[in-house]
Amino acid sequence: KQEVTQIPAALSVPEGENLVLNCSFTDSAIYNLQWFRQDPGKGLTSLLLIQSSQREQTSGRLNASLDKSSGRSTLYIAASQPGDSATYLCAVLPSGGSYIPTFGRGTSLIVHP
Amino acid sequence: EAQVTQNPRYLITVTGKKLTVTCSQNMNHEYMSWYRQDPGLGLRQIYYSMNVEVTDKGDVPEGYKVSRKEKRNFPLILESPSPNQTSLYFCASSPLRGDSGNTIYFGEGSWLTVV
Repeated sequence: KQEVTQIPAALSVPEGENLVLNCSFTDSAIYNLQWFRQDPGKGLTSLLLIQSSQREQTSGRLNASLDKSSGRSTLYIAASQPGDSATYLCAVLPSGGSYIPTFGRGTSLIVHP
Repeated sequence: EAQVTQNPRYLITVTGKKLTVTCSQNMNHEYMSWYRQDPGLGLRQIYYSMNVEVTDKGDVPEGYKVSRKEKRNFPLILESPSPNQTSLYFCASSPLRGDSGNTIYFGEGSWLTVV
């Protein structure tokens, strides 16, 4: 069964720092991987989606990479801002017949001024 | 605007009193699903649907029912709620794989408390 782990569980950084969030998965047979942002008490908002054939995706200050063979993805946030404070989750959709994504438990990020 | 709308957003109910949480999406997505989110357990899928009249169990289906009579709607039904169903619930939708950009869209969440 697919397991998705996100390390660290929590992170506190000063404003302006570049940071990396990690997502690892145990089964490399994936269809895609998505990174989400969740603000407290709110729904999840998709940030980036990487198909299994891709290596990375970029959106503004965000860059997500995927190394399927090693079962790892990273979300790089450049020049962090207090508004980036949120929980970041990754989700893996398996290849094959299952339509059930597996979510990590997230990394809670605080960017302090 | 592309969105997933769920109601109610907040509900306190009593054990055993049937309730329905509605979910509607305006993106013509085939795939819809329900999740619950609990501290320490993360997001867990309850049920999903790949199209009208096609539903299947997720990881934690016990105590829940769903229906998909129309493509845009996917209500979650708790026939006899119990306190262990107190949770934050999310509805989500996406195109089926094979379409471009099969991003998952989430609703804002429904806070349910069963006393």
